[in-house]
Amino acid sequence: QVQLVESGGVLVKPGGSLRLSCAASGFSFSDYYMSWIRQAPGKGLEWVSYMSPSGRTRSYADSVKGRFTISRDNARNSLFLQMNSLRAEDTAIYYCATRTCSNTNCHPMEYFFDYWGQGTLVTVSS
Amino acid sequence: SYELTQPPSVSVSPGQTASITCSGDKLGDKYTSWYQQRPGQSPVLVMYQDTKRPSGIPERFSGSNSGNTATLTISGTQALDEADYYCQAWDSSTEVFGGGTKLTVL
Repeated sequence: QVQLVESGGVLVKPGGSLRLSCAASGFSFSDYYMSWIRQAPGKGLEWVSYMSPSGRTRSYADSVKGRFTISRDNARNSLFLQMNSLRAEDTAIYYCATRTCSNTNCHPMEYFFDYWGQGTLVTVSS
Repeated sequence: SYELTQPPSVSVSPGQTASITCSGDKLGDKYTSWYQQRPGQSPVLVMYQDTKRPSGIPERFSGSNSGNTATLTISGTQALDEADYYCQAWDSSTEVFGGGTKLTVL
């Protein structure tokens, strides 16, 4: 079955850096778009970034553009999020999710997030 | 930037029908997905491409999308449906989530 296991969340000081990882299993990782989605304590979901299977297409939320970088290693079935210049407002649970489309030649609006990991908590505080 | 608006809370009696709305500019021209999140758990996809139910999601969940509003409808609501629900759509290379609706089954 599909499994997504995030790791790397810790307490970090403002201005610091952190790299999150997501280990995928149970599906053909190299065929799927992948995404990071976060949730601040007691708040709603906020999309962070997504990446195409080949890595050629990447997109970021305005709130993290220029500070966060998504990457993947298809040989290791792993997704990453490099987080730099961290701020208090980046404090959240970070979820890794598959971004899927049920058709072929999908328009970007046809995608949805069908599998989610359990999340990893990032706390930015001095 | 594109915004999706949901009511903060909806209440329903067991066995009745709950409707959760999601509003956005010309949302009917896009596809909407819906996610259920129970306390302390990760979100679960319950509806995609407006009206499609993933495998394992009960038939009492249905969806619609027209004009500026998408709606998730839960018929015969059960206590286990009590959760936060989020709508989601894509616009201009970004994914957008609504603020979430807390469904209370009284």
